[in-house]
Amino acid sequence: AQSVTQLGSHVSVSEGALVLLRCNYSSSVPPYLFWYVQYPNQGLQLLLKYTSAATLVKGINGFEAEFKKSETSFHLTKPSAHMSDAAEYFCAVSPGSQGNLIFGKGTKLSVKP
Amino acid sequence: NAGVTQTPKFQVLKTGQSMTLQCAQDMNHEYMSWYRQDPGMGLRLIHYSVGAGITDQGEVPNGYNVSRSTTEDFPLRLLSAAPSQTSVYFCASSYQLGRDPYGYTFGSGTRLTVV
Repeated sequence: AQSVTQLGSHVSVSEGALVLLRCNYSSSVPPYLFWYVQYPNQGLQLLLKYTSAATLVKGINGFEAEFKKSETSFHLTKPSAHMSDAAEYFCAVSPGSQGNLIFGKGTKLSVKP
Repeated sequence: NAGVTQTPKFQVLKTGQSMTLQCAQDMNHEYMSWYRQDPGMGLRLIHYSVGAGITDQGEVPNGYNVSRSTTEDFPLRLLSAAPSQTSVYFCASSYQLGRDPYGYTFGSGTRLTVV
């Protein structure tokens, strides 16, 4: 069965610092992987996705993620945090031909001035 | 604008009342689903549909009912509201179930409080 683990329910960084949000998955088939962002009192917005093309995926707002099959990881990074990046981030894995998207429990990112 | 529209945005119910959360999409997506979001629990799937006339249960279906009479609409019914159903509800849609490279499009959510 597929699953997603996000390490750290809360991450705090200073403005201008590196953002690293961790996601590990388990999947019995080659996965599709997604990162979503949720700003306060809003719905989820697709940040980026991996669908078996390039292993380094670039998304919106300067975020990127690297698919590492050997580590079953899909960590999200941004070189320099901005105050507007404060939000909750969800990693998700798409299962095989039948099955719903499986979400991690989310990581809330705080950015200190 | 194309997307997923949820109504209402906020609702307060008394225990035992029933109501319907509306969800509509105009992207001709076959797949639609309902999630609830609770602090520290992430998103949990309530019900989903792979097309008009076809629905199935997700992880937490008890106390909820769905139907899919058209491709565009996927309403969620609370049969007899309980305080445990206080949550934020999201509707999502996509082109297909499973291995959809486009991911899901989410509505903006309905914040429900049951007192």
